[in-house]
Amino acid sequence: ETGVTQSPTHLIKTRGQQVTLRCSSQSGHNTVSWYQQALGQGPQFIFQYYREEENGRGNFPPRFSGLQFPNYSSELNVNALELDDSALYLCASSLETGGRETQYFGPGTRLLVL
Amino acid sequence: SQQGEEDPQALSIQEGENATMNCSYKTSINNLQWYRQNSGRGLVHLILIRSNEREKHSGRLRVTLDTSKKSSSLLITASRAADTASYFCATVLTGANSKLTFGKGITLSVRP
Repeated sequence: ETGVTQSPTHLIKTRGQQVTLRCSSQSGHNTVSWYQQALGQGPQFIFQYYREEENGRGNFPPRFSGLQFPNYSSELNVNALELDDSALYLCASSLETGGRETQYFGPGTRLLVL
Repeated sequence: SQQGEEDPQALSIQEGENATMNCSYKTSINNLQWYRQNSGRGLVHLILIRSNEREKHSGRLRVTLDTSKKSSSLLITASRAADTASYFCATVLTGANSKLTFGKGITLSVRP
């Protein structure tokens, strides 16, 4: 177990709806990254938060947004859901940013958009 | 875009055999990491090798890194049925934040 938790584990939404996914990072970790993993693909970087500020963003549209709270937990919000948003959403926490620290992943939230 | 490309895409071996998986990447890296994923669940970190390292060991795992060829290999010795999973290499680029760039993964099947 990595100590990173995500909720919910599964979610079904319809096209056009909005969704909020949550992540609790490992104790002491101030950096959280979010990834989207489509079926049969590797995870794709969505964005990263470091000490409550966005610290890098991948090639995802603005309807993907996030937050990091003072306790370093994080949320991923997706507006105007599309069918292609169906995927496993993973969050990962690390001690620091900069890429030198191991990232520990949560179990993921599987989102299905109908 | 995929920075890491794993090879082969799928590998099937007998329990007790060694499994070798390869990863190639395109640009200078800070480090390279290998992860395992069971049945679409969360990723489990296996090993991190930094750009100034050439080889690392962890239990039955051996990872090599050749920065001149921009390639890495993961060797699992004496494989077990429980090693059946998808394996991903991921790179962290020099000067970047902690963003991991993953390949598409290798599906390893270990037959009992």
